[in-house]
Parts: sequence; structure tokens; C-alpha cells
Amino acid sequence: KQEVTQIPAALSVPEGENLVLNCSFTDSAIYNLQWFRQDPGKGLTSLLLIQSSQREQTSGRLNASLDKSSGRSTLYIAASQPGDSATYLCAVSGVTSGSRLTFGEGTQLTVNP
Amino acid sequence: NAGVTQTPKFRILKIGQSMTLQCTQDMNHNYMYWYRQDPGMGLKLIYYSVGAGITDKGEVPNGYNVSRSTTEDFPLRLELAAPSQTSVYFCASSPYTEAFFGQGTRLTVV
Repeated sequence: KQEVTQIPAALSVPEGENLVLNCSFTDSAIYNLQWFRQDPGKGLTSLLLIQSSQREQTSGRLNASLDKSSGRSTLYIAASQPGDSATYLCAVSGVTSGSRLTFGEGTQLTVNP
Repeated sequence: NAGVTQTPKFRILKIGQSMTLQCTQDMNHNYMYWYRQDPGMGLKLIYYSVGAGITDKGEVPNGYNVSRSTTEDFPLRLELAAPSQTSVYFCASSPYTEAFFGQGTRLTVV
């Protein structure tokens, strides 16, 4: 059974800092990996999707990497801003499960002005 | 663009009552999903559907039922609500890979 772990559970940083969020998964036979952002009381917003054949994806100040063989992904946020404060969720789908996702518990990020 | 729409946004239910959480999508996606999120936790899959007329259980299906009569709609039925079903429920749709989520329904069972 696939298990997804995110470290740290919570992170507080000053504005402007570069930071890394970590995600690990137990079964390397994944189809893709998605990073989501969740604001309090809101739904999930997809940030980046990495196919299993890819090593990284970039969108603006966000960069996500994938090392399938070691079961790890990182989300790098450059020059953090208070508006980046949210919970970041990592989720993976299996080779035969399409977009049926297994989620980690998330990292709650606070960026202080 | 409406995307995935869930109703209601909030609901308080008494133990033993039943209700249906509505989900509709306007992106013509074949795949639809119901997840629940307990406080401080990730999302867990309840049920999913790969197309109209086809549904299957996810990780935590007990106490729930679904139907998929059209591509657009995927309602989730709670029968005999229990306090353990207090949670936030998310519906999602997908063309196959990337998933798109609704805003959630916050349900409290008292």
C-alpha cells in the first residue's frame, strides 16, 4: 500500500527566505506526483504536476523535483512571501490508478512579514 | 469557468440522519472522486468513478454510497450519519492525470 509522508509538518520562515518542502513515498511505481496548495477553509489548488518520466517542473517561484527511484520529491519556493502562507500537500498516483491520489498529511507554511 | 462545484458548503447533521452531498463538473471529465479530510490530515479516497454508470470503492467507503448517472454529476450519499463522519468532503474530477478539486463541504455530525 502506498504511503506518503511530508516533512516538516509545520514551518515558519521570515519573508524573503528560500525554502524546501519534502515529500517521500514508499512505492516507486507511480504515474505522477502533484503538489497542491490549500488555504484555510478552502479547496485544493494544483501547483505542479510531475509525470513519472520527468525530473522537475517549474512555475514562477516554485520548482518541484522528483526522484522516483528513491521515492522523494521536493518543492522549492524561492523568495517566500506572506501570501505563500498555506498548507502544501503532496499526492501520488499509481501506475494503474490514473488520477486516484494518495495524499501526504501536508506541511503548514507560515511566512512572516 | 465553474470547474467542480460542491453543495452545500456547510451542513450540521444529527446522528442517524441522512443526506446527499452534491458534486457537478462542467469539464466533461470521465473520472470523478470523493475524498474526506479530517483535521490535520491528508485526504483519503472514499469512492471514485471512471465514467457514467461505473463506480468503485476507495480506501474508506463504509457508511457512504455513490451513483454516477451522468458524466457531470457524482453525488455522495450518507446513510445513518455518525460522529465519525464529521469531516470536510472534497469532490474532484480529472481527464485522467491532473485532478481538479471543488471547494469542499464541511460536515458536522452531532
